[in-house]
Amino acid sequence: GAVVSQHPSWVICKSGTSVKIECRSLDFQATTMFWYRQFPKQSLMLMATSNEGSKATYEQGVEKDKFLINHASLTLSTLTVTSAHPEDSSFYICSAPGQGAWNEQFFGPGTRLTVL
Amino acid sequence: AQSVAQPEDQVNVAEGNPLTVKCTYSVSGNPYLFWYVQYPNRGLQFLLKYITGDNLVKGSYGFEAEFNKSQTSFHLKKPSALVSDSALYFCAVRLYGNNRLAFGKGNQVVVIP
Repeated sequence: GAVVSQHPSWVICKSGTSVKIECRSLDFQATTMFWYRQFPKQSLMLMATSNEGSKATYEQGVEKDKFLINHASLTLSTLTVTSAHPEDSSFYICSAPGQGAWNEQFFGPGTRLTVL
Repeated sequence: AQSVAQPEDQVNVAEGNPLTVKCTYSVSGNPYLFWYVQYPNRGLQFLLKYITGDNLVKGSYGFEAEFNKSQTSFHLKKPSALVSDSALYFCAVRLYGNNRLAFGKGNQVVVIP
């Protein structure tokens, strides 16, 4: 299957700093990517849909200015957590849909963010 | 609105015994259903999907799932569980033309040696 990578796999930062997480589709193009947030032993919460060449679509309750998304190319989407605080600590996962309406989504390995 | 329910929090099963993880769905229109597995600190891995056709779907690692329209269920099954099957399992539903997925809360599967 298709491969999606994320970088970094984990990051620790101080409160008030910004952190950028990259999501890449390695062997296919993705005009759309999805960003999820997951708390320990809980389900994935869709944060936003990243759209190549246009603005991201955010889910209700997700702060656009807090979680900046940029879909710079057909293989790269970035999520920047601005002015991070301890409550932003979480596991962030991206995904990209395969070609065609019937295909599953391919998930990145996730990024563990810890804000001190 | 589309949604899936995974009624159990944790499923414990002895190694070698059959494993079942339950999922029910609620959608308007034809459901497109998926099962994913997640190991600790890892992303989700695709197991199988139901789009159309045979109600019994076979997937990766010996897993299969049965689509039951009358019961709106899509239970995941494995005839003989392995210790390495211990992980978090997610059921998800997607509508045609909409790439967004709705996930169930997940089930922790613990296979006891």
